[in-house]
Parts: sequence; C-alpha cells; structure tokens
Amino acid sequence: QVHLQESGPGLVKPSGTLSLTCAVSGDSISSPNWWSWVRQSPGKDLELIGEAYSLGSPNYNPSLKSRVTISLDKSKNQFYLKLTSVTAADTAVYFCARGYSDSEFFFDKWGPGTLVTVSS
Amino acid sequence: EIVLTQSPATLSLSPGERATLSCRASQSVSNSLGWYQQKPGQAPRLLIYETSKRATGIPARFSGSGSGTDFTLTISSLEPEDFALYYCQQRSNWPWTFGQGTKVEIK
Repeated sequence: QVHLQESGPGLVKPSGTLSLTCAVSGDSISSPNWWSWVRQSPGKDLELIGEAYSLGSPNYNPSLKSRVTISLDKSKNQFYLKLTSVTAADTAVYFCARGYSDSEFFFDKWGPGTLVTVSS
Repeated sequence: EIVLTQSPATLSLSPGERATLSCRASQSVSNSLGWYQQKPGQAPRLLIYETSKRATGIPARFSGSGSGTDFTLTISSLEPEDFALYYCQQRSNWPWTFGQGTKVEIK
C-alpha cells in the first residue's frame, strides 16, 4: 500500500521560510510518477503549488514560482517543499500527493495534510 | 490559467436520490478532467479521472461525463457516506487547477 506523510513546523513567522517533508512508502519516488504539493486555504480552495519528477525538472505554479522549491531525495524516498518569504496568505493545510501514471497523473494518493500557520 | 466553475455551490438531497454536479472550464480541457471527494479533516480522494474513468475501488454509482468545457459528475443513488465536498480538477493546461467545490448535504 502506498502512503504519503507530511511533516514539518506548524508555525512559521512572517517573512520566514516554510519547509515541509513528504515521506513516501509503498512506491519509489524514482518511479514514473509526479510528486506534488497542494495546499488548501481555510476558505477551502485547493491550489497546486508544484510537482517534481525523478527524470526531469520540477514545475511550479507561476503564482508562487519565485518563492518555491520542490526537490526529491531518492536515498530517503522523500520529497520536500520550501516556500520563502511567507505571509499570512500562506496559512493553509499543505498536502503532498502522487500524480499516478496509471490514472493519467491525476492525484490518486495523498498525505493526510499538515496545517501551517504563518504568524508572529 | 484555466478557471473551473462548479455548480451548484450546495446540493441538498436525501439518501437514495440522484446527484448531478457540474464543472465548467474557462477554455477547453479536452477530456483531461478529474473529480475528487473530500470529507472534513481528510485529504481529497480521487473518484474519476480523464472525464469518465473510475479510480481504483470507486463504486459504480459514481460516473463522469462531458468534454471540452462542460463536465458532469453523477452519483446515481446517494449513500450516507457520499455526503461530502466534491472538487473537479483539470490537467490540460499548466498550472493544473481545481474548482471551488460543491457541497452535497443531507436534506
């Protein structure tokens, strides 16, 4: 069974950097799937942050591109999110998800999500 | 960026009734559209991808249809566990985007 699990600080100061880890089990991040970050604001909107693939460059949402880095660690079977210069608008539940090749890269597996609050 | 508009915002129905949810795209997404179900405190769950293909383990009462800009998710007979939020998502043009959701609530 495939499982994804997010981890990281639940509170980040304004202008600071949000850093999250997604641990993957049951699948290899070297497999031909996309490994993604999605966030959901308190108002419930879902927003794709970006995605990474083991054999190519990551793709970032243009709305966040200047502040986002997504990277893969094949040795630990984990992937990461870094979001810099955060503001209160970045407060959200952050999900990691798998874009699965057998479902045309739609997100078939998700982590449970982690709430990140930006506040001083 | 492609905007997905879902309607209605809320659907009030009784168990056993048929639910019809709509998703309209601001430009054609071909058939690259999916549907997710989300319950409070949980992650979204993939129901339908590529307009009409059911994801693994999804019951046959869920079906999807449409093409281009207009899509529909149908739940043929609502079970108690189907009362939830539903989102559509496109994978045609980067960045992939989601609709704002339709809440299916018990009448």
